[in-house]
Amino acid sequence: TQLLEQSPQFLSIQEGENLTVYCNSSSVFSSLQWYRQEPGEGPVLLVTVVTGGEVKKLKRLTFQFGDARKDSSLHITAAQPGDTGLYLCAGANAGGTSYGKLTFGQGTILTVHP
Amino acid sequence: NAGVTQTPKFRVLKTGQSMTLLCAQDMNHEYMYWYRQDPGMGLRLIHYSVGEGTTAKGEVPDGYNVSRLKKQNFLLGLESAAPSQTSVYFCASSWDRVHYGYTFGSGTRLTVV
Repeated sequence: TQLLEQSPQFLSIQEGENLTVYCNSSSVFSSLQWYRQEPGEGPVLLVTVVTGGEVKKLKRLTFQFGDARKDSSLHITAAQPGDTGLYLCAGANAGGTSYGKLTFGQGTILTVHP
Repeated sequence: NAGVTQTPKFRVLKTGQSMTLLCAQDMNHEYMYWYRQDPGMGLRLIHYSVGEGTTAKGEVPDGYNVSRLKKQNFLLGLESAAPSQTSVYFCASSWDRVHYGYTFGSGTRLTVV
């Protein structure tokens, strides 16, 4: 069973601060996806990274896939209250009978105070 | 809006009752999934389908059955509900398993008393 360790579990910061969320595993993934979930709603895809070392930017959010495709990070610059939510990373299995199956991290609950 | 629609949004069942959760997608996706989300447990895959007429077990399939008779619909059944099945259930669909990510529905909150 592949595991994704996400840290930190909780993050409470002030508006304007920067933050980084980490997603780590000992397993190699075909791709790594990041989702954001608001209360009472389903997760919404933010980005998919596929190539080792890949960096993608989405406005103030920067996503990085590790060179070995075992880890990823999400960095938010100048956080805003609208960034508040649950952030989930998910890795797609790299091979075998579970190819493509998503493994989710436990999530990071981010609260940005005005 | 195009996407994944789940019904119902809320349901309370008594232990032993049965019910079916409905999921419909209008994006012509081949792959569909049922997850449950519990505090501290994250999202866990119950069953999934790689195409019309096919289904497969995920991590936590016991107590659930599924059917995919039409490409756009994926049904999740609880034959005899148990309190341990109290959870939020999410349906998702995707073009493929690796590159395009999943589109999730807004969830069904199920309470079994």
